[in-house]
Amino acid sequence: EVQLVASGGDLVQPGGSLRLSCATSGFTFSSYWMTWVRQAPGKGLEWVANMRQDGGEKNYVDSVKGRFTISRDNAKNSLYLQMNSLRAEDTAVYYCARGITSDYWGRGTPVTVSS
Amino acid sequence: DIVMTQTPLSSPVTLGQPASISCRSSQSLVHSDGNTYLSWFQQRPGQPPRLLIYRISNRVSGVPDRFSGSGAGTDFTLKISRVEAEDVGVYYCMQAAQFPITFGQGTRLEI
Repeated sequence: EVQLVASGGDLVQPGGSLRLSCATSGFTFSSYWMTWVRQAPGKGLEWVANMRQDGGEKNYVDSVKGRFTISRDNAKNSLYLQMNSLRAEDTAVYYCARGITSDYWGRGTPVTVSS
Repeated sequence: DIVMTQTPLSSPVTLGQPASISCRSSQSLVHSDGNTYLSWFQQRPGQPPRLLIYRISNRVSGVPDRFSGSGAGTDFTLKISRVEAEDVGVYYCMQAAQFPITFGQGTRLEI
């Protein structure tokens, strides 16, 4: 069974940093692009970033470029999102998903940016 | 960036009746590899999104056959042949033909 479990969400002050993790199982992690998607409270889905299997290509939505970094550890079947210089508008539930087309999603982890 | 526009944003439906959601993209979603990367997701209340259909019309294993997708180029449709109570939620289209990947605003299906 494919499983993705995101963790690391927390309450953080504006300008702060947070690192999200996504532990996966049930599939060959190293064979898939991986994706982060977020959803602000009461709002729709926003694609955040994705990363190629070998880490050689990373893509970001403009609003997080230069602040967020996606990474992965294929030996640990895990995906990460380092979030720096956090802003109130980054408040959302963050989901990790498998593949470019996000065919499997984990339960998200909530991030709140507030003073 | 490709803008995805869904209509309607809210759809009151009657159990057993059909429902239809439209999704229009600001550019063609035909990728250089010849595939059209348009997907549909369902998000039930309190749940993560679930992929229903990929590449316009391919239903994911386990998705009821009352769900179907169609369209081409820039105009796409998700149809539910007979709405059931479990179909309540928000439906999103998503394009993955070009980065950044973008979603439609979502359509709330209400009984």
